[in-house]
Amino acid sequence: DGGITQSPKYLFRKEGQNVTLSCEQNLNHDAMYWYRQDPGQGLRLIYYSQIVNDFQKGDIAEGYSVSREKKESFPLTVTSAQKNPTAFYLCASSVSGAPKTQYFGPGTRLLVL
Amino acid sequence: AQSVTQPDIHITVSEGASLELRCNYSYGATPYLFWYVQSPGQGLQLLLKYFSGDTLVQGIKGFEAEFKRSQSSFNLRKPSVHWSDAAEYFCAVGAGTGNQFYFGTGTSLTVIP
Repeated sequence: DGGITQSPKYLFRKEGQNVTLSCEQNLNHDAMYWYRQDPGQGLRLIYYSQIVNDFQKGDIAEGYSVSREKKESFPLTVTSAQKNPTAFYLCASSVSGAPKTQYFGPGTRLLVL
Repeated sequence: AQSVTQPDIHITVSEGASLELRCNYSYGATPYLFWYVQSPGQGLQLLLKYFSGDTLVQGIKGFEAEFKRSQSSFNLRKPSVHWSDAAEYFCAVGAGTGNQFYFGTGTSLTVIP
């Protein structure tokens, strides 16, 4: 089945630690996106990538980094500079161009120990 | 700047009753509008979308939405709600050449027997 997978489902971060969230898609989509979801705030765009080896900052990129070395993969690193990382993180993908429907993965919940 | 407002944080309806969830957007160009649904701890599932043409769009699970340019609205409706419709509903507007999405803060739907 085609789709988007995110792992792990739950992730725990210690103070000062970087953690990486995985996002993989087998939909042959060119574009991929990372969102952060907090209660009562909806989804906010962190980073997006329209093509391999290229990505752009979204509205809340500070404290996060990404890479796009393969079309299928768009990992998100939450760095120690992100002071409030506890949230639900959602990855999405779409075909290239706009407007296009974005399809979402199941999400990763990040908790701080 | 583009933005989406969902005025109702939480709505409770009886099973079998009709439903309308409100969405207002702010966007300078032609809006591309979406409704997604999210069950607790899950990703987002597309209900329906509007790009152009007929302003009344049909979606999955018996939902429909009407685009009203004069009111900058894209309200979601369902004639008869089922208990399984209890979830969080998000309205989004697509913008920019990068297909960035801007989400409302969501409306939580409770269905009572």
